[in-house]
Amino acid sequence: KQEVTQIPAALSVPEGENLVLNCSFTDSAIYNLQWFRQDPGKGLTSLLLIQSSQREQTSGRLNASLDKSSGRSTLYIAASQPGDSATYLCAVPPSGGYNKLIFGAGTRLAVHP
Amino acid sequence: EAGVAQSPRYKIIEKRQSVAFWCNPISGHATLYWYQQILGQGPKLLIQFQNNGVVDDSQLPKDRFSAERLKGVDSTLKIQPAKLEDSAVYLCASSLVPQGGEQYFGPGTRLTVT
Repeated sequence: KQEVTQIPAALSVPEGENLVLNCSFTDSAIYNLQWFRQDPGKGLTSLLLIQSSQREQTSGRLNASLDKSSGRSTLYIAASQPGDSATYLCAVPPSGGYNKLIFGAGTRLAVHP
Repeated sequence: EAGVAQSPRYKIIEKRQSVAFWCNPISGHATLYWYQQILGQGPKLLIQFQNNGVVDDSQLPKDRFSAERLKGVDSTLKIQPAKLEDSAVYLCASSLVPQGGEQYFGPGTRLTVT
């Protein structure tokens, strides 16, 4: 059964810092991995989708890497800004499947000026 | 391109009452998902539709929850009767392809059961 863990659960950093959010999953036979952002009281915004054949994806100041063999993904945020404050969630399909998503509990990020 | 639409955004009901949520997916997206997100947790899939057929409803509490997507576009999720533990955010998502496609989420409906 696929399980997703995100560490740390919460993070508070000063503006301008580079930071790394971690995601681990128990079954490495995944089809893809998706990172989302969730603002308080809002839905999920898709940030990056990494296919199983890829090792990383980049979008602006965000870079996500995927290491299937070790069951890990990292989301790197460069030069953090107060507007980056949100909860970041990673999600993967279930073991042997590729339809629904199994989510971690998220990392709650606060970037203070 | 319009995103996934949901209504209402907020709902407060008493336990044992019924409630319904509505979702309109992105145009052309054949796959629609309903997720439940309890405070402090990641979303959990309740039901997945491919056009108007159910693909996965293994985690839907069928004694109280029901969902339909009659014409393969809009969908409704109903809870009857509601329990206190149903307090959560109900998220609708859609994807263009059913297998491995990127999922796009709506703003969610925050349900409070008192």
